Amino acid sequence: QSALTQPASVSGSPGQPITISCTGTSSDVGGYNYVSWYQQHPGKAPKVIIYEVSYRPSGVSNRFSGSKSGNTASLTISGLQAEDEAHYYCTSYTSASTWVFGGGTQLTVL
Amino acid sequence: QVQLVESGGGVVQPGRSLRLSCAASKFTFSNFAMHWVRQAPGKGPEWLAVISSDGNNKYYADSVKGRFTISRDNSKNTLYLQMSSLRVNDTALYYCAREIVKCFVNWGQGTLVTVSS
Repeated sequence: QSALTQPASVSGSPGQPITISCTGTSSDVGGYNYVSWYQQHPGKAPKVIIYEVSYRPSGVSNRFSGSKSGNTASLTISGLQAEDEAHYYCTSYTSASTWVFGGGTQLTVL
Repeated sequence: QVQLVESGGGVVQPGRSLRLSCAASKFTFSNFAMHWVRQAPGKGPEWLAVISSDGNNKYYADSVKGRFTISRDNSKNTLYLQMSSLRVNDTALYYCAREIVKCFVNWGQGTLVTVSS
């Protein structure tokens, strides 16, 4: 049950796009379309922003999008806004019927 | 509005036990699988355990297997996590979460467990 691999930090200027990667194995990310992404602001519980690789829950901005290629999933935020500054975590269902989180990425809006 | 309220956290000595509860409301609790997820201070979330809607299937992270037990009482709309042989590195904020399509859709506010002598 090794954690999924995410970059520790990414940054971008307002209005720019950024992409956060999430790399696993064929036993998790690559084997199932059950990758989800969470946004967490300080002192708050995580909030789901993408589920099943690329679906957005109701109420989540369409600036957030998800995709997957092989064992790597990606979260793209288009048109960065100040309120997007937060930690982002990916998670995947696994072949052991368990779940695994990524280590997290701190997004800084410059 | 779905509500999940965790309780039972506190300060406990290494080696001791603690039981967490998660009271669910505003949805049909017995229809959904439920999870426990924890987050150590300054760290990312760590998935711990899942229980099926009927309570018959349970899976655990290797880090807690054999020490933690997830259970539920659908008549009381409550999820539990029995934690034993607690270690200092079990110190974390413990969340319960409702699952929909393998995704943690709703989270509680968390209950803090501190393991310290």
